[in-house]
Amino acid sequence: DVVMTQSPLSLPVTLGQPASISCRSSQSLAYSDGDTYLNWFQQRPGQSPRRLIYKVSNRDSGVPDRFSGSGSGTEFTLRISRVEAEDIGVYYCMQGTHWPYTFGQGTKLEIK
Amino acid sequence: EVQLVESGGGLVRPGGSLRLSCAASELIVSDNYMSWVRQAPGKGLEWVAVINPDGRTYFADSAKGRFTISRDTSKNTVYFHINSVRGDDTAVYFCASGFFAVAGKNYWGQGTLVAVSS
Repeated sequence: DVVMTQSPLSLPVTLGQPASISCRSSQSLAYSDGDTYLNWFQQRPGQSPRRLIYKVSNRDSGVPDRFSGSGSGTEFTLRISRVEAEDIGVYYCMQGTHWPYTFGQGTKLEIK
Repeated sequence: EVQLVESGGGLVRPGGSLRLSCAASELIVSDNYMSWVRQAPGKGLEWVAVINPDGRTYFADSAKGRFTISRDTSKNTVYFHINSVRGDDTAVYFCASGFFAVAGKNYWGQGTLVAVSS
């Protein structure tokens, strides 16, 4: 199975400051169709997960433009340009290039 | 508005079996990749199974052999069967669709809690 490794696992951030989460895969996530099946999810306390970014860098509907995704191959990054209070929660990367799908361990974003 | 509503969770004894349901509205389950994802208390997300539009199914290694996934197109519902339930199956089970669909087309249910205890 593809192992997804996120860092850091805990991310204290000051409001208004940027934040960055790394996700590394144990195999390349580039698929033969030209796409890379790497998503980012946010899970706020007590809520179901919500997809933020799909296929590396495509922002979902209603997701603020302060969220952005980048990367290729085995290294990916989720960036928040200016953290707001509503961004508190756990962030997960997930790959769908190889069966079975796998999630990263999660990164808990908290406000300093 | 698309809704996925899970049901069937509850308290189950070790060794027992359980069937979870995911009823969809405003979304046709047979046209979508329908997954189950679980989350043990205080832990991260674990993808466990999917049923594709063509009917093929895939499972996480931890789910092979004891779990099955199926759908009933007449009820527009996806099912997830867990056999020989173990303590580490205790989790909230989420139904989700369209992980790699275009913007705005990834949907999640609210989850249903399965608690395994004697």
